[in-house]
Amino acid sequence: AQSVSQHNHHVILSEAASLELGCNYSYGGTVNLFWYVQYPGQHLQLLLKYFSGDPLVKGIKGFEAEFIKSKFSFNLRKPSVQWSDTAEYFCAVKSKAAGNKLTFGGGTRVLVKP
Amino acid sequence: NAGVMQNPRHLVRRRGQEARLRCSPMKGHSHVYWYRQLPEEGLKFMVYLQKENIIDESGMPKERFSAEFPKEGPSILRIQQVVRGDSAAYFCASSPDEAPQHFGDGTRLSIL
Repeated sequence: AQSVSQHNHHVILSEAASLELGCNYSYGGTVNLFWYVQYPGQHLQLLLKYFSGDPLVKGIKGFEAEFIKSKFSFNLRKPSVQWSDTAEYFCAVKSKAAGNKLTFGGGTRVLVKP
Repeated sequence: NAGVMQNPRHLVRRRGQEARLRCSPMKGHSHVYWYRQLPEEGLKFMVYLQKENIIDESGMPKERFSAEFPKEGPSILRIQQVVRGDSAAYFCASSPDEAPQHFGDGTRLSIL
């Protein structure tokens, strides 16, 4: 069975600080990886996804993530955050073997102080 | 192109009543997924449907919960005889293929 761990439950940082959110998954086969963001009171939006190819993936709003297969990790980064990045961030994994459903991590709440 | 539409946004039920949650996928999307988000937890997969077929219901409780995606009309998640523990946000996602990407705003179900 696949599972996803997000080690940081809450992150507080100031504007212009750099952000890195950890994500590790447990499934050893071929996976697709996703990061979603949920702004307060809104639905989940896809930030970026990795299916194959370049392990460094660029997403929307200046976010990027790096897939490191040997570490089963897909960490999300942003060099300089803004107050508007305050949100909850979810890492998710999908695999054919698990029936193509998304398995989500527990989420990381990010608070950016102005 | 309208996004995934869920209604109602908020639903209040008393214990023992039935709850019906609706999801209209994006135009052209034939795959629908339902997820549940309990307070302070991540999203948990419930069920995956294609038109008129349940593909994977491994995340759905065996009793009281059912889902359908008829040929015409929205997908329906139905919870019979609701209990306090059913209080959660229920999200629907749709996709044109096997990769769910587009989520609705969710239905927040509160059980009195």
